[in-house]
Amino acid sequence: QVHLVQSGAEVKQPGASVKVSCKVTGDALTDLSIHWVRQAPGEGLEWMGGFDPEEGKTYYAQKFQGRLILTEDTSTDTTYMELRSLRSEDTAVYYCSRSEDSFDIWGQGTMITVSS
Amino acid sequence: QSVLTQPPSVSAAPGQKVTISCSGSSYNIGKNYVSWYQQLPGTAPKVLIYDNNKRPSGIPDRFSGSKSGTSATLGITGLQTGDEADYYCGTWDSRLSAGVFGTGTRVTVL
Repeated sequence: QVHLVQSGAEVKQPGASVKVSCKVTGDALTDLSIHWVRQAPGEGLEWMGGFDPEEGKTYYAQKFQGRLILTEDTSTDTTYMELRSLRSEDTAVYYCSRSEDSFDIWGQGTMITVSS
Repeated sequence: QSVLTQPPSVSAAPGQKVTISCSGSSYNIGKNYVSWYQQLPGTAPKVLIYDNNKRPSGIPDRFSGSKSGTSATLGITGLQTGDEADYYCGTWDSRLSAGVFGTGTRVTVL
């Protein structure tokens, strides 16, 4: 059974970068399509980006173009979400999720707080 | 700003039925499969419906999904207090080449 385990909560200053990890257990990362979704306090779900292994392509939401970098380390079955130039509006819970017909498996979420 | 529109809230008494609509466009719902997610407070979302109307293993048949044109609907029958949660529709937008979620609907059991 596939599980996604994310790194812990972080507090960052405005302008800094954050890198959240999502480790896959129960399957090989190379076989999976992992996406990232965030949720600001009291707000809805927001898709950020994801990797399609069939196309070998990474998709990014227009809103995050230039600030978001999604990478993978297949040797450790870990995928990473790096968000740069953080601002207060980036305060949110960040989730990684497996995409297979739907977002069917989710990580536990990582709280990122942006505050001076 | 989400491209999929849902009502902010719906409510009904225990045992009753609620439906949640999700309105999109020909680029997203009109062209791609729709999924529905339930999110209980403080937890990650859970998929209830995928491919418009299919239920994953373990999801009771009280939950149903349908799609017509550029809209989709989630139905919940036999409403229970444990169904109080936020519900989101989701799909792919072929014009944006991006995943999209609905604005979310809070279900309240009266």
